[in-house]
Amino acid sequence: AQSVAQPEDQVNVAEGNPLTVKCTYSVSGNPYLFWYVQYPNRGLQFLLKYITGDNLVKGSYGFEAEFNKSQTSFHLKKPSALVSDSALYFCAVRAPGNRLAFGKGNQVVVIP
Amino acid sequence: GAVVSQHPSRVICKSGTSVKIECRSLDFQATTMFWYRQFPKQSLMLMATSNEGSKATYEQGVEKDKFLINHASLTLSTLTVTSAHPEDSSFYICSARDNGSEQFFGPGTRLTVL
Repeated sequence: AQSVAQPEDQVNVAEGNPLTVKCTYSVSGNPYLFWYVQYPNRGLQFLLKYITGDNLVKGSYGFEAEFNKSQTSFHLKKPSALVSDSALYFCAVRAPGNRLAFGKGNQVVVIP
Repeated sequence: GAVVSQHPSRVICKSGTSVKIECRSLDFQATTMFWYRQFPKQSLMLMATSNEGSKATYEQGVEKDKFLINHASLTLSTLTVTSAHPEDSSFYICSARDNGSEQFFGPGTRLTVL
């Protein structure tokens, strides 16, 4: 079955420092991978996706993610974190029936 | 970008009553809509997938008579929580997909059952 894992519960980073949110995947076939962000009491906002092509994917709000097939990873990155980046981040993989299988989510806290 | 709305954004009801939540795709036709449930600080749990004009497909463990889903048009799906109980209190999120690979999410509905 298609699945993703987000090993950390919370990521703390100082404002201005690089931010990395980890995600590993397990799929049969080619993976379609997504990152979403959720602010309190809000729905999910799309950040970026990988379907095919360049392994480095650039998305919204300065985020990017690198698809690494050998490590089965799709880590989300931002070179310089902002306090406003504090939110819940979800990695997801496309599953049969065009559904999405989500990771458990990572709470990102950017410290001023 | 594609916009999905949900109504209401927040609802409080008494135990035993039914609550209807609407999910609309505002600027595209959604061939498929999904309903999720999210508990505090947890991931989204897919409840069901609905395709316009056909019966919804429910995930294992989700009671279809409890959570009624209607996808009457290409822009509207409704979730009705019947005979709601306090344990049904949760954040319900819908998403809509056109013919592409991306799902567009609504802002969510906070249901509180007293």
